[in-house]
Amino acid sequence: ETGVTQTPRHLVMGMTNKKSLKCEQHLGHNAMYWYKQSAKKPLELMFVYSLEERVENNSVPSRFSPECPNSSHLFLHLHTLQPEDSALYLCASSPGLVNIQYFGAGTRLSVL
Amino acid sequence: GENVEQHPSTLSVQEGDSAVIKCTYSDSASNYFPWYKQELGKRPQLIIDIRSNVGEKKDQRIAVTLNKTAKHFSLHITETQPEDSAVYFCAASFSGSARQLTFGSGTQLTVLP
Repeated sequence: ETGVTQTPRHLVMGMTNKKSLKCEQHLGHNAMYWYKQSAKKPLELMFVYSLEERVENNSVPSRFSPECPNSSHLFLHLHTLQPEDSALYLCASSPGLVNIQYFGAGTRLSVL
Repeated sequence: GENVEQHPSTLSVQEGDSAVIKCTYSDSASNYFPWYKQELGKRPQLIIDIRSNVGEKKDQRIAVTLNKTAKHFSLHITETQPEDSAVYFCAASFSGSARQLTFGSGTQLTVLP
């Protein structure tokens, strides 16, 4: 374990559902990230939070909504997703914005 | 923004041989270059990293070289073993408003016993 825990590990949802992904880190880091990993594509950075403030939003559709209530927790709220949103969603944390990033095990999302 | 290209996309080697994976980056201000290993169904894990103030770094069978002038860096694995089989990702730090990592597309390494 890397100290970054993601729940759930697997999620199946319909296009009209609303669900949330959760990430928790026990490393005392102050930066957290959401990535999308699709088959045969590079890891795509979605959101970056530093000290609980959103630093970057890489033009992610509004159907993905992040929330960072404190430096240890990060959520990704999902609503009205599309089948092409099916992917592995990875959370990561780091002690600073340039430093080593530690990944969670990911949530495998399937949108039907 | 930063662009990181990684080659090859797949690589098969015999056990005991060496494997080399190469990446190029576009942002000359990038200064941090990590390599991650992702085994099937598992999370990416950092295996080695290098900063722009050094040209080479080694950790047992793994080494990374950096050529800042040419803007490319490489991962070298010697004496490969079947457990080295995985997808390897390179990344480069992006000098935007927040320094982020831009990842390459990954290399599927298969070590044949």
